[in-house]
Amino acid sequence: AQSVTQPDIHITVSEGASLELRCNYSYGATPYLFWYVQSPGQGLQLLLKYFSGDTLVQGIKGFEAEFKRSQSSFNLRKPSVHWSDAAEYFCAVGPLHGSSNTGKLIFGQGTTLQVKP
Amino acid sequence: DAGVTQSPTHLIKTRGQHVTLRCSPISGHKSVSWYQQVLGQGPQFIFQYYEKEERGRGNFPDRFSARQFPNYSSELNVNALLLGDSALYLCASSLAQGEWEKLFFGSGTQLSVL
Repeated sequence: AQSVTQPDIHITVSEGASLELRCNYSYGATPYLFWYVQSPGQGLQLLLKYFSGDTLVQGIKGFEAEFKRSQSSFNLRKPSVHWSDAAEYFCAVGPLHGSSNTGKLIFGQGTTLQVKP
Repeated sequence: DAGVTQSPTHLIKTRGQHVTLRCSPISGHKSVSWYQQVLGQGPQFIFQYYEKEERGRGNFPDRFSARQFPNYSSELNVNALLLGDSALYLCASSLAQGEWEKLFFGSGTQLSVL
């Protein structure tokens, strides 16, 4: 079965420090990969996505993520965290390339990011 | 332009009641998906509708149903509410099926079942 694992439920970093949020997926082939951010009381905002090509993808708000096929990982990084980055982060996978697009995204359980001043 | 709008924003119901949640997609978007997000978990896919037809269904009981109207807005209905149905219900819209890079989420309806 397809699944997404975010091993870290809660991460605390100091403002200005670097950040890496982990995401591992279980799929038969390369799926579409996403990172979303959710602030309290808000919906999900797309940070970045990977479909194919360059394995290092750039997103909004200074975030980037690297797809590593050998490790089935799609980790999110940011070189310097700002206090406004405190939020819930979700990794998600979409249908396999070439399969029917039913609109189903599979989400990880999320990582809560706390930023210390 | 308005984003995906959901109503109501908050709702309190008691066990056994039914509830209807509403979603208006972004203008021009024809695909609407529904997700359930239980506290502390990631969203789970419930339904996708495109051109007023159900195109995908997640692993939810028949108490959950949905429909899409000619103006592409959508309703999610849940019958015989259980305590476990308490969650944030998210609606997402896109131009068409598989438009992942153009999938936009609403702020959700927070449903509490007492």
